[in-house]
Amino acid sequence: GNSVTQMEGPVTLSEEAFLTINCTYTATGYPSLFWYVQYPGEGLQLLLKATKADDKGSNKGFEATYRKETTSFHLEKGSVQVSDSAVYFCFLDSNYQLIWGAGTKLIIKP
Amino acid sequence: EAQVTQNPRYLITVTGKKLTVTCSQNMNHEYMSWYRQDPGLGLRQIYYSMNVEVTDKGDVPEGYKVSRKEKRNFPLILESPSPNQTSLYFCASRPGQGNTEAFFGQGTRLTVV
Repeated sequence: GNSVTQMEGPVTLSEEAFLTINCTYTATGYPSLFWYVQYPGEGLQLLLKATKADDKGSNKGFEATYRKETTSFHLEKGSVQVSDSAVYFCFLDSNYQLIWGAGTKLIIKP
Repeated sequence: EAQVTQNPRYLITVTGKKLTVTCSQNMNHEYMSWYRQDPGLGLRQIYYSMNVEVTDKGDVPEGYKVSRKEKRNFPLILESPSPNQTSLYFCASRPGQGNTEAFFGQGTRLTVV
């Protein structure tokens, strides 16, 4: 069946560090892939998405590339800020089957 | 403003006392769903609905009921809450299948004592 595996958190970085949060998946067919972000005390918001292989999603300095050959959708940012502290979820959508990763808590220290 | 509204935001209740968490969306979305979020488990889907009067079980439906009498509302019903249903609940909606952004409510933090 379909599944999503995210790196465990928390991930703690200093401001301006480079960020990578790993996400790998197993799926039949051609799923769409998403990253959602949950800021403290809030609901989830779409951060970026990619709907087919080799697509790159980007938003707010974050990027992720849909790599079918490695079944990955890793989230990256070149220089993180304290305001990026949140929980990040990788999400797979294969028709109506929706699979979430467990979430990765990111803590950015000034 | 496009939004998904859940109520209440916080609720403490006792075991066995029926409760309903409401969810309403103003985007005319067909698809709505409920999730619970627990530490280390991420989000798990409880129930979903593809349209009015069409509902189906998600991954963890036991102890929950839903209804979809109209497009905008998708209430979550706990007929006899138990402490293991203490969790953070999210309602979400989106236009249809695939490739589309899901919009989430602010969450309802439920504690069952």
